[in-house]
Amino acid sequence: DTAVSQTPKYLVTQMGNDKSIKCEQNLGHDTMYWYKQDSKKFLKIMFSYNNKELIINETVPNRFSPKSPDKAHLNLHINSLELGDSAVYFCASTKRGGETQYFGPGTRLLVL
Amino acid sequence: TQLLEQSPQFLSIQEGENLTVYCNSSSVFSSLQWYRQEPGEGPVLLVTVVTGGEVKKLKRLTFQFGDARKDSSLHITAAQPGDTGLYLCAGASGDRSRLTFGEGTQLTVNP
Repeated sequence: DTAVSQTPKYLVTQMGNDKSIKCEQNLGHDTMYWYKQDSKKFLKIMFSYNNKELIINETVPNRFSPKSPDKAHLNLHINSLELGDSAVYFCASTKRGGETQYFGPGTRLLVL
Repeated sequence: TQLLEQSPQFLSIQEGENLTVYCNSSSVFSSLQWYRQEPGEGPVLLVTVVTGGEVKKLKRLTFQFGDARKDSSLHITAAQPGDTGLYLCAGASGDRSRLTFGEGTQLTVNP
């Protein structure tokens, strides 16, 4: 009965590789997000989709491309991974216009 | 850009002590949320405060929203080891689905 799930939980990869992280929510929410949490635990929004439409796109390198095949899924593809991409990436969802955000367990990305 | 500053960044106390965490901004927020994040997990919502001056209590936790809706505090009475975690405040502006997070307060309660 997991509300927001992410895969994989851990991802270790070499610089220059391309990788994807997947997120799914079974809460029936319309809005989904990707956040990056750095080593200092600062949580910063990257993208937000509402019903498969991109509504928030912060200053994120073009190497990051979100994709929402349907409103229950929001995936994040990263091209040409760099050392600075190492972080924990969280997916979250909320009802449209609602405020409570439900977070996934996070994906720990380590770029070597 | 709206910023939220949390203090202190780190807090280590003994079981039974009281503590207060502060969340300050120069911006006005339509509402403010407090989340707690435990190691290896995502943040979980504790409370949302909406009205200036509002006070909400959740067992031993008391949350207050400043009168001007620019700041908030979290007070824990008689802290327990189970309160250990990262506490994050987050402000919502006009678009209520967009949150700005504070830098977090890492609380450790020692038995």
